[in-house]
Amino acid sequence: DTGVSQDPRHKITKRGQNVTFRCDPISEHNRLYWYRQTLGQGPEFLTYFQNEAQLEKSRLLSDRFSAERPKGSFSTLEIQRTEQGDSAMYLCASSFRYGQEEEKLFFGSGTQLSVL
Amino acid sequence: DQQVKQNSPSLSVQEGRISILNCDYTNSMFDYFLWYKKYPAEGPTFLISISSIKDKNEDGRFTVFLNKSAKHLSLHIVPSQPGDSAVYFCAAKRAGKSTFGDGTTLTVKP
Repeated sequence: DTGVSQDPRHKITKRGQNVTFRCDPISEHNRLYWYRQTLGQGPEFLTYFQNEAQLEKSRLLSDRFSAERPKGSFSTLEIQRTEQGDSAMYLCASSFRYGQEEEKLFFGSGTQLSVL
Repeated sequence: DQQVKQNSPSLSVQEGRISILNCDYTNSMFDYFLWYKKYPAEGPTFLISISSIKDKNEDGRFTVFLNKSAKHLSLHIVPSQPGDSAVYFCAAKRAGKSTFGDGTTLTVKP
């Protein structure tokens, strides 16, 4: 169990550029989540997958954001035409869902995005 | 509309004493409540949880209490240790999605 890994750890970009982040979940986990966190706030839900199916996407997420999880393994989160308001920590988490259990999340260390 | 609220941004306690962190929620459909702990430069890590049908769950020094009528839960840490100093997030889960509060920074002084 190597944990959830995210790449890159830090990303600095200019406004208007596209960025892509990668998340590798714990191998046996079937669910994968993306959250966004800004200073002084808790993680904010963006989207989640069960295997390769994207089950829910936040209403707050603009069309500039897209996420994929091909073959139910790793996932990518792309932000097109970045804006300064996109600057945040992007957290990935995975879990194994098998019934009506608590479904605790295992988080990666996050990707810190700074849009200049 | 913030469904999960942690009204105390920070808490400071002396080593060996009890720490009590509080959380309020608005949606009665949440089925599980979880606490996560976060150190700087790391992602949150799971600490303890409670089902909506229970009123108490204990794991070592950590106990979570749930008051459904008040839509309130609390995390008790006793005795508190300096290594417990971190940000604590309350989360409420429904249909797979977890909604987080804004966190409480706990400082345990030696």
